[in-house]
Amino acid sequence: DIVMTQSPDSLAVSLGERATINCKSSQSVLYSSNNKNYLAWYQQKPGQPPKLLLCWASTRESGVPDRFSGSGSGTDFTLTISSLQAEDVAVYYCQQYFNTPYTFGQGTKLEIK
Amino acid sequence: QVQLQESGPGLVEPSETLSLTCAVSGASITDYYWSWIRQPPGKGLEWIGYIYYSGSTNYNPSLKSRITMSVDTSKNQFSLSLTSVTAADTAVYYCARTYSSRNHFDYWGQGILVTVSS
Repeated sequence: DIVMTQSPDSLAVSLGERATINCKSSQSVLYSSNNKNYLAWYQQKPGQPPKLLLCWASTRESGVPDRFSGSGSGTDFTLTISSLQAEDVAVYYCQQYFNTPYTFGQGTKLEIK
Repeated sequence: QVQLQESGPGLVEPSETLSLTCAVSGASITDYYWSWIRQPPGKGLEWIGYIYYSGSTNYNPSLKSRITMSVDTSKNQFSLSLTSVTAADTAVYYCARTYSSRNHFDYWGQGILVTVSS
């Protein structure tokens, strides 16, 4: 199985400041034949299902604010929120869909400082 | 718009079988792949497996011996059966959609909490 490891486990950021969450996979999730990273980011608020934010490591889902961005390739990835808003308080998960079983990171809890 | 709705018992006794159904609206079940994902209270997400309308399945090896998934194209829904449940199977169970077999989950159901207890 591909193990996904996120850091940090929790993060407190002031409103308007930048938040950065890291995700590392135990093996590359870059498919060489199409040069795509099979990596998604989700946001989960209490009592709600996860919501897709980014796919293919950096493609923003329709309707997701442009303050959310993704970067990285191979085994190391980053989710950045450029200017934290109150509604961004949530748990964030990365997920690989390169191989089954699909696997998720353990989650990063983002709070307001 | 696309909607997924899980249904089934919220309480299952140990050693019994957990059975859930996901009803899909706003999309044809024949056009996508359909997964089950679970989340124990306060913990992370675990992919259980997926099914295609043809009946083709891919299960998580950690649960494979206890899982059966099925699809009913006439009702536009799919189902999960998990046998010999224990307290460790207590979780919120989500159904979700992917465009193809190797793809992200773009739509999720609201989830159903299933508690295993006598």
